[in-house]
Amino acid sequence: GDSVTQTEGLVTLTEGLPVMLNCTYQSTYSPFLFWYVQHLNEAPKLLLKSFTDNKRPEHQGFHATLHKSSSSFHLQKSSAQLSDSALYYCALSDRDYGSSGNKLIFGIGTLLSVKP
Amino acid sequence: GPKVLQIPSHQIIDMGQMVTLNCDPVSNHLYFYWYKQILGQQMEFLVNFYNGKVMEKSKLFKDQFSVERPDGSYFTLKIQPTALEDSAVYFCASRHRVNTEVFFGKGTRLTVV
Repeated sequence: GDSVTQTEGLVTLTEGLPVMLNCTYQSTYSPFLFWYVQHLNEAPKLLLKSFTDNKRPEHQGFHATLHKSSSSFHLQKSSAQLSDSALYYCALSDRDYGSSGNKLIFGIGTLLSVKP
Repeated sequence: GPKVLQIPSHQIIDMGQMVTLNCDPVSNHLYFYWYKQILGQQMEFLVNFYNGKVMEKSKLFKDQFSVERPDGSYFTLKIQPTALEDSAVYFCASRHRVNTEVFFGKGTRLTVV
């Protein structure tokens, strides 16, 4: 079945350094890929979504590129901020077929801790 | 932005009792979801609900689970009877239509003792 793999459970880095969080996936179809961010005591919310035309999505300085050849959708940012400390989930959803409702399949999440 | 509200944030219940988890989805949304996250594991899909019906459920959605949204009010997940392995954080989510953004609640932490 479909699955998402996030290999790092915890990433700790110093403010100002670049961020890269890994995400690879397995899917029968060509799925949509997402990054969700969950700050402490908050709901998970959408950070980025892959585009069908291979444009690179960007939001709040974060970006991710869908590479179908390597089944990856790594999250990157050039310079980490203290406020980026949060739990980051990679997820996929099959393209809409009929009325299945596009359930999300999540990775285990990566906790990003940015230190001064 | 739009918010999905989940009440309560934490509930402790004796094994074998019934529990109802409540979710107040975004007002114009039509698709509703429950996800379950056991400590240290990923969030896993339980069920989705549209137009008054369950559209799809996973193998985690046991016979003891049920969902409903009576009269467009709260979207509820009922577990009857509860078991120790039901202890988890349950996230409610909603979306307006397929292929639009999904909004999540903060989750309800259910502890079955």
